[in-house]
Amino acid sequence: GQNIDQPTEMTATEGAIVQINCTYQTSGFNGLFWYQQHAGEAPTFLSYNVLDGLEEKGRFSSFLSRSKGYSYLLLKELQMKDSASYLCAVWDSNYQLIWGAGTKLIIKP
Amino acid sequence: EPEVTQTPSHQVTQMGQEVILRCVPISNHLYFYWYRQILGQKVEFLVSFYNNEISEKSEIFDDQFSVERPDGSNFTLKIRSTKLEDSAMYFCASTGGSHNEQFFGPGTRLTVL
Repeated sequence: GQNIDQPTEMTATEGAIVQINCTYQTSGFNGLFWYQQHAGEAPTFLSYNVLDGLEEKGRFSSFLSRSKGYSYLLLKELQMKDSASYLCAVWDSNYQLIWGAGTKLIIKP
Repeated sequence: EPEVTQTPSHQVTQMGQEVILRCVPISNHLYFYWYRQILGQKVEFLVSFYNNEISEKSEIFDDQFSVERPDGSNFTLKIRSTKLEDSAMYFCASTGGSHNEQFFGPGTRLTVL
């Protein structure tokens, strides 16, 4: 079966750095996405990785290792508005987007 | 900035009734998707649509579901006979290329009583 694992919840302090991990086992791989979702709202795109390595975009970076079936999202200089759920999603061999359950990130002052 | 829109924002219906959820994707996008998210659960892929036909569909997308692009702008999801378990947030998304960032609409919250 297809599976994407992420921690259910993480807590971090404003101004700090947090790393959210994602491991996946899917039927094929055509790329990995990270989305941010505030409660009651739609997911918004953060990053896309299809090759191994680190993609940096402002305060957010995403890393991928295809051989390990592993990715992480790194958030720097945390702000209170970063409190949200972070969803890892993988394109499978049929280009269906398979979603993780999301990691709820709580930012404390 | 162009955005995906969805109507209605909230739909309440009786079990067994038909519902149509509407989406207007970003105008120059070519690929369209429907997802659902049951409250407190993960986002689930329902169907993708390209060139006026279904590209892929999940196991959830059974005979009770259908999609249509009736004109150049709207993209609809129809549930023929709603069940209690269809209660969820339904998101429409579109992208200009199949491997690109998907832009999500704000969602329609469907409540089946």
